[in-house]
Amino acid sequence: AQKITQTQPGMFVQEKEAVTLDCTYDTSDPSYGLFWYKQPSSGEMIFLIYQGSYDQQNATEGRYSLNFQKARKSANLVISASQLGDSAMYFCAMREGSTGTASKLTFGTGTRLQVTL
Amino acid sequence: NAGVTQTPKFRILKIGQSMTLQCTQDMNHNYMYWYRQDPGMGLKLIYYSVGAGITDKGEVPNGYNVSRSTTEDFPLRLELAAPSQTSVYFCASSPARFKQFFGPGTRLTVL
Repeated sequence: AQKITQTQPGMFVQEKEAVTLDCTYDTSDPSYGLFWYKQPSSGEMIFLIYQGSYDQQNATEGRYSLNFQKARKSANLVISASQLGDSAMYFCAMREGSTGTASKLTFGTGTRLQVTL
Repeated sequence: NAGVTQTPKFRILKIGQSMTLQCTQDMNHNYMYWYRQDPGMGLKLIYYSVGAGITDKGEVPNGYNVSRSTTEDFPLRLELAAPSQTSVYFCASSPARFKQFFGPGTRLTVL
């Protein structure tokens, strides 16, 4: 079974609107972390936001927030006030295991976001 | 700080050739990782290291080897290159189990 599922291959959003990128995950480990990375057309991987499985509140980083629903095993990324520069591939990733173990990440297949005028 | 650097940026190999992808980080991170990204896909873990002298296999290790003699360097060796190894290779490092810092990637084509 897929550990990380991103069901939206592509999304369009108008500039200044909010957009939600979906991510569901599968793990039996009680300790895990969820990450979102942005990959622009230039190819580099840019860290956006992190949510730990024991974190009580949803993570926020500027215009990015993570809608973490543990019971549904979902970790959707919300981008508010979209900008043209947000056009990129977005990857959801999961780290399993507790403190002291390497942060091996399992990635989803990504969602390509296109911001339009 | 330069962060994570990778060389070369691009490389074309013939089938059966070997090469080493270099990765260096200057953040004194214990953990380092190698991923590959095939077209239209997410990244898959090849090998990782939790410190100098300690390496372990990831999800797709076949056809690759690694070594970690220093904290800074984590080279990835391809022996007997095959077309299936055409990919973009990313090196990353992390201080612990939190976010990973990625290098700019190496685009490898095997013909």
